[in-house]
Amino acid sequence: TQLLEQSPQFLSIQEGENLTVYCNSSSVFSSLQWYRQEPGEGPVLLVTVVTGGEVKKLKRLTFQFGDARKDSSLHITAAQPGDTGLYLCAGARSGGSNYKLTFGKGTLLTVNP
Amino acid sequence: GAGVSQSPSNKVTEKGKDVELRCDPISGHTALYWYRQRLGQGLEFLIYFQGNSAPDKSGLPSDRFSAERTGESVSTLTIQRTQQEDSAVYLCAEGASGSRTDTQYFGPGTRLTVL
Repeated sequence: TQLLEQSPQFLSIQEGENLTVYCNSSSVFSSLQWYRQEPGEGPVLLVTVVTGGEVKKLKRLTFQFGDARKDSSLHITAAQPGDTGLYLCAGARSGGSNYKLTFGKGTLLTVNP
Repeated sequence: GAGVSQSPSNKVTEKGKDVELRCDPISGHTALYWYRQRLGQGLEFLIYFQGNSAPDKSGLPSDRFSAERTGESVSTLTIQRTQQEDSAVYLCAEGASGSRTDTQYFGPGTRLTVL
């Protein structure tokens, strides 16, 4: 059983389109992070959210942490080919070790020119 | 400045052989993590080092796996008597504090293939 479920697993869109990917769990997390991973490289942190209901914007990317801290979403506006990559969510479980992150399987995004 | 580096970038080995994977840290980072990423899977926590504290080895899948780190320097992950199911990308990450909001800086990984 995957603790963090990410959907969709694969997403292929055209440049300029908007998209949302989701990260869901039945468990509560004290914090949640989103990473992007490109082929042959390690994941790179995009954002950390810690407060239920929190919304963070990073240029064309908008991240939201659910009120109950069990889910999160990433919305990309006007996607560009450079957004292509594997998007991973990772959470630190409430009551667990602060340093031990649980990762989802990721959403593989392809933005076609 | 230099990021986290890992070597080798690729390793092909025969079943039953031992392998050693290396992670070279960013200076000043006290926390170090090893993860395993199998094809189509998320990152699987293996082990965590924080300064001179006892490491958290709870993620190591079997006693064939071990890791060492001297102080805040180089870390090595050793897999003995490799099996085909060990084939994966092994990622090392470092963080400044090991807190839940810490930024983890990942290396590019070592792709291990066990034939």
